[in-house]
Amino acid sequence: GAVVSQHPSWVICKSGTSVKIECRSLDFQATTMFWYRQFPKQSLMLMATSNEGSKATYEQGVEKDKFLINHASLTLSTLTVTSAHPEDSSFYICSARDLSGRAGTDTQYFGPGTRLTVL
Amino acid sequence: AQSVTQPDIHITVSEGASLELRCNYSYGATPYLFWYVQSPGQGLQLLLKYFSGDTLVQGIKGFEAEFKRSQSSFNLRKPSVHWSDAAEYFCAVGGHRGSTLGRLYFGRGTQLTVWP
Repeated sequence: GAVVSQHPSWVICKSGTSVKIECRSLDFQATTMFWYRQFPKQSLMLMATSNEGSKATYEQGVEKDKFLINHASLTLSTLTVTSAHPEDSSFYICSARDLSGRAGTDTQYFGPGTRLTVL
Repeated sequence: AQSVTQPDIHITVSEGASLELRCNYSYGATPYLFWYVQSPGQGLQLLLKYFSGDTLVQGIKGFEAEFKRSQSSFNLRKPSVHWSDAAEYFCAVGGHRGSTLGRLYFGRGTQLTVWP
């Protein structure tokens, strides 16, 4: 089946530093990937849509200068949390959109998530 | 506007009992519908999906869901729950036109607890 990986699975950093999270589609090409944020006991909040070869589209209220997204290839998107602060601590999940037809029509497959803790 | 409602925040069932998780959606066209499951600290795993055709869809782990257009519902069912089914379940509607294309709109989730 379609597999999406994320790295790292967890990270602890000091306030003011930047953290990069990678999202990879392992067995399919993904022209579109999505980045979500999830708070404890809550649903997923879409942060941005990452399109290969073009700028990401951010949801209202998401700071594009704080959450930098790069989608340099058909299998890799990165989210960089710049100048992280404790309020950025959260569970970040990516998904990749599979249009290959092998997995049916438009389906998103999710990575395992990255737990970010900012001290 | 597109939205998903999962009326039950938390459901508790005994192992071996049947299960039904409710999901209602709002979408301006025939929706794409999904159920995902999330174990603690994990990402989301796709259980099943509906795009068109047969309104009763079968998924993994013995789950099924039925699309009922007249009720705008896509309830998830399992005839006999196992302790390993304890998790958070999310219903989602997938946009497939215009500005919603490719996006997923999630319900708030239903936490399932299974008693031994």
